[in-house]
Amino acid sequence: GAGVSQSPSNKVTEKGKDVELRCDPISGHTALYWYRQSLGQGLEFLIYFQGNSAPDKSGLPSDRFSAERTGGSVSTLTIQRTQQEDSAVYLCASSLGGTVMLYGYTFGSGTRLTVV
Amino acid sequence: ELKVEQNPLFLSMQEGKNYTIYCNYSTTSDRLYWYRQDPGKSLESLFVLLSNGAVKQEGRLMASLDTKARLSTLHITAAVHDLSATYFCAVGATSGTYKYIFGTGTRLKVLA
Repeated sequence: GAGVSQSPSNKVTEKGKDVELRCDPISGHTALYWYRQSLGQGLEFLIYFQGNSAPDKSGLPSDRFSAERTGGSVSTLTIQRTQQEDSAVYLCASSLGGTVMLYGYTFGSGTRLTVV
Repeated sequence: ELKVEQNPLFLSMQEGKNYTIYCNYSTTSDRLYWYRQDPGKSLESLFVLLSNGAVKQEGRLMASLDTKARLSTLHITAAVHDLSATYFCAVGATSGTYKYIFGTGTRLKVLA
């Protein structure tokens, strides 16, 4: 597609439920990133996928968080047993792998997650 | 561990004035980006700085990088209301990977 697409745009869930957030990167982009932005805060790195390499999961805050990327394209971020502190905007970004150095990421519009 | 700090966190300025936003980072890096975020919107890439002494300019914004001081600046010249947004710097964590650590952001409000 023309840009990075994320769905849903908004999600309200009850504490303890599981949620899945989806990201469709720009076609041909081999690198995909998930970040989290809490209200009024900066961006917190969560996970990074590059082609067929093992993902860099070093930013995932707990084992309740997991992500996968199928076929080198679509990615799903799953949060199990959601807690109120998980409330944030989850941003996905993609890039052409090595050429992120020249152009930076392209970000999606984000999924606003509210845990009640 | 790479840490990135921006200051100020909030900036309210009059139209026509000049100001500078600072981005300091804690470990060696050769890649730094500036992004803009409008309220309720996603992030838009502004500048890519890849070497010591790099300077990029777009309109009223100019970004520079001093890798020895581990400092980047975003200078605003003769601010206009349309520049009101939150500005983030992002620093490449380590060479050879593409993980970036973002600063906390500077929320800029330009008053007419």
